[in-house]
Amino acid sequence: QQPVQSPQAVILREGEDAVINCSSSKALYSVHWYRQKHGEAPVFLMILLKGGEQKGHEKISASFNEKKQQSSLYLTASQLSYSGTYFCGTLVSGYSTLTFGKGTMLLVSP
Amino acid sequence: DAGVTQSPTHLIKTRGQQVTLRCSPKSGHDTVSWYQQALGQGPQFIFQYYEEEERQRGNFPDRFSGHQFPNYSSELNVNALLLGDSALYLCASSSPTGGTGELFFGEGSRLTVL
Repeated sequence: QQPVQSPQAVILREGEDAVINCSSSKALYSVHWYRQKHGEAPVFLMILLKGGEQKGHEKISASFNEKKQQSSLYLTASQLSYSGTYFCGTLVSGYSTLTFGKGTMLLVSP
Repeated sequence: DAGVTQSPTHLIKTRGQQVTLRCSPKSGHDTVSWYQQALGQGPQFIFQYYEEEERQRGNFPDRFSGHQFPNYSSELNVNALLLGDSALYLCASSSPTGGTGELFFGEGSRLTVL
């Protein structure tokens, strides 16, 4: 079942903060976050595993509440380069495949 | 190091026709997954190939089929095209042997069905 993301869209001024949420009705093994800029491929940001392990490439923080099956992506001191659509993807087991949410569009203006 | 490459980047077909999309995975990756991304939506999983076998399949009809070659490259075939098949088709490669589980996506093939 597809995870639910909120909000659908966010408009920020450079330097402001934002939180993007992802929730699932199923027990999750992991949550993955990707960012897709217009006309480009989705790019991996972070994976959060049950048990607390996190792996990521960028200075972006996130949390995973295993009891609520919810994850939040925290974008602090936003930069223009943060603009894009953010997708969360969920795995219900280590052998399943990613199910993506509909995305959250983020626009950072000067 | 070349990333995931897909071809063609854009194509236009008419209803009822057949299409083949191609994908070369990132060097060192042996698993290829295909996703369909409709406008304004998240990627939807079509199927995954590993060791030239379809390992998992999403909720897509049999009109969607695929293949993986010994060099790990892959093809996605769609028969009897419908207007609703118009979308961006993304290929993603990964390694099943640990790591972050990160998917590396290509820039996609945009299919328009008229």
